[in-house]
Amino acid sequence: AQTVTQSQPEMSVQEAETVTLSCTYDTSESDYYLFWYKQPPSRQMILVIRQEAYKQQNATENRFSVNFQKAAKSFSLKISDSQLGDAAMYFCAYRSSPLTQGGSEKLVFGKGTKLTVNP
Amino acid sequence: DTAVSQTPKYLVTQMGNDKSIKCEQNLGHDTMYWYKQDSKKFLKIMFSYNNKELIINETVPNRFSPKSPDKAHLNLHINSLELGDSAVYFCASSRWGLSYNEQFFGPGTRLTVL
Repeated sequence: AQTVTQSQPEMSVQEAETVTLSCTYDTSESDYYLFWYKQPPSRQMILVIRQEAYKQQNATENRFSVNFQKAAKSFSLKISDSQLGDAAMYFCAYRSSPLTQGGSEKLVFGKGTKLTVNP
Repeated sequence: DTAVSQTPKYLVTQMGNDKSIKCEQNLGHDTMYWYKQDSKKFLKIMFSYNNKELIINETVPNRFSPKSPDKAHLNLHINSLELGDSAVYFCASSRWGLSYNEQFFGPGTRLTVL
């Protein structure tokens, strides 16, 4: 079974600075998808960024980018120019490829990292 | 327009009661999910339905019974509620089989069992 580990329960960053959230995962599959979700105090789950395992290029969405290291099974999230609105819980998640025999479309989540942004 | 909606948003009830949470999506998706987020914020899949058929059942007690009357709805009924059932329950939906499908989440239902 796949597992996702987020080793930083809490992180803090100064407004306008850059912060990196760590995520590692364990899988025997070769094709899969990785996601970062944000959960602000409103508790709504919001997709931040996603990465397909077969793509070597790291995904980028505006101020958010990932460092995907497939061999190391690492998928960190970098937030540049941090804003007060970035304060939230951040969850790393894994999903099997639909082409994987027996693969499931469920998301497997890490335990989350609480990000505080200081003004 | 709300993509994935859940009712109610908050539910407070006594131990032993039976309660239901409803979920509806208007995205035209064919797959729906229930996730449970515990007090430590850990999110875990409970069930998944594809075209009204149960495809994932993650060792959830029999007191939890999902029902999908059609592709747009997935309800969760819980019998004989226990203190440990207190959590936030999220409904989500996606399109099955697409390589890049995103799961869209509802706003969550906070269930408190007293």
